[in-house]
Amino acid sequence: GAVVSQHPSRVICKSGTSVKIECRSLDFQATTMFWYRQFPKQSLMLMATSNEGSKATYEQGVEKDKFLINHASLTLSTLTVTSAHPEDSSFYICSARDPSGGANEQFFGPGTRLTVL
Amino acid sequence: QKEVEQDPGPLSVPEGAIVSLNCTYSNSAFQYFMWYRQYSRKGPELLMYTYSSGNKEDGRFTAQVDKSSKYISLFIRDSQPSDSATYLCAMSPSGSARQLTFGSGTQLTVLP
Repeated sequence: GAVVSQHPSRVICKSGTSVKIECRSLDFQATTMFWYRQFPKQSLMLMATSNEGSKATYEQGVEKDKFLINHASLTLSTLTVTSAHPEDSSFYICSARDPSGGANEQFFGPGTRLTVL
Repeated sequence: QKEVEQDPGPLSVPEGAIVSLNCTYSNSAFQYFMWYRQYSRKGPELLMYTYSSGNKEDGRFTAQVDKSSKYISLFIRDSQPSDSATYLCAMSPSGSARQLTFGSGTQLTVLP
C-alpha cells in the first residue's frame, strides 16, 4: 500500500513555543491530506482537511490560528501548533488520500507524539 | 447518538480463536467501509476496504457489510498474538473526498 511518513515521531517542548509536524506521501501524490489528533484510548478526531494549493478546512471547534496547516506541494503538508500549551499534548496523525486507489481510501502516517511541558 | 458505534472492549481471546469485531452506524449515506488496525503508539493501518454490502476476504480476515441492518463486522480466523491491537472501523459516503467517520476502536488481546 501507499506510504505516508511523519516527522518528528515525538517532540517535547516548553509551553508557549511552536512546533511543526511534517506529513509526506512517499510514493504517490496527495491532493488531500487530513490531520487528526488522538487522546489515549480514544478514537481519531479529525482536526482539518488540507488541500494542496488552497486553504485548509477546519472542523468545528478547532482553532485555525492555533493549528496552522500548509499544503504547499502534492507530497507535503505541515501542521504547526502555535503557542503550545500542556492541553495540546496529544498524538497527532496525518493521512493522505491516494487518488489512484478507492474513492475514500486513506493511508495514515505513524503519528507524532507531542508533549508540552 | 454517535454516527458510528463500536464496543471498546477490551476483548481477550486465546491464540487460534475466531475473533468477531463489530460496528453499527446510523447514517444510511455511508457506502465505503474500512477496518484499520492500530498498534500502540502507531498510526492506523488499513486492513480491509469494502464498498456497499457483501463480504470480502483477505487471508485470515473477512469483512462483512449489512447495509440493511447498518452493521459491519470483521472476522479474524486463527488469531495470533501479533493480532493484538486496537481495531477501528471507519466509513464514508460514496463518491466524495469526505473524511472518514471512525468508531472508537476495540482493543483486542490474543493470548499465547
